[in-house]
Amino acid sequence: DSGVTQTPKHLITATGQRVTLRCSPRSGDLSVYWYQQSLDQGLQFLIHYYNGEERAKGNILERFSAQQFPDLHSELNLSSLELGDSALYFCASSVAPNSNYGYTFGSGTRLTVV
Amino acid sequence: AQSVTQPDIHITVSEGASLELRCNYSYGATPYLFWYVQSPGQGLQLLLKYFSGDTLVQGIKGFEAEFKRSQSSFNLRKPSVHWSDAAEYFCAVGASGGGADGLTFGKGTHLIIQP
Repeated sequence: DSGVTQTPKHLITATGQRVTLRCSPRSGDLSVYWYQQSLDQGLQFLIHYYNGEERAKGNILERFSAQQFPDLHSELNLSSLELGDSALYFCASSVAPNSNYGYTFGSGTRLTVV
Repeated sequence: AQSVTQPDIHITVSEGASLELRCNYSYGATPYLFWYVQSPGQGLQLLLKYFSGDTLVQGIKGFEAEFKRSQSSFNLRKPSVHWSDAAEYFCAVGASGGGADGLTFGKGTHLIIQP
């Protein structure tokens, strides 16, 4: 157990729907990063939140959004889902808002869009 | 923009044999470099990282990696592999934007261990 909790582990939904993925960071960590892992694109950075504020955006689609709450858990919202959004979505957490220190990954949410 | 290339999609090694996984990077300055491992159904676990100093870095599970600036490489090695090392291995280069951006990962190398 890495200490980073992601729920749900699996999610199957239809095209056009909206889903919310949840991430609870490791105790004491203030930063949450979201990544998408797909067969064709590999691991892609989506977005980074630190202590409730957005710090950096990567290759995140406009249909996707995220937020970090006062208790530091984060949610990734995916809307108007398409077949191509099927992927593993990981969150990672760290104490400082700096990827270069390394971080701890959760075990991911596998999203299947049918 | 930075990039990472892992030339080998799959590698098969016999148990007990030595291992080297290749990683080449493109980065404008002195890079932060990482190796992560992903077991089936699991998240990524950090094996080791290089920031500066000694170019030979020791990590967990008996892995090491050597940074070679002249070759823009950061290859991962292990002298004797175990069946439990079968997994996906990812090389990553550090974040720009003062570190706030995410890491840039290679496409990964799938390691198969033969008995």
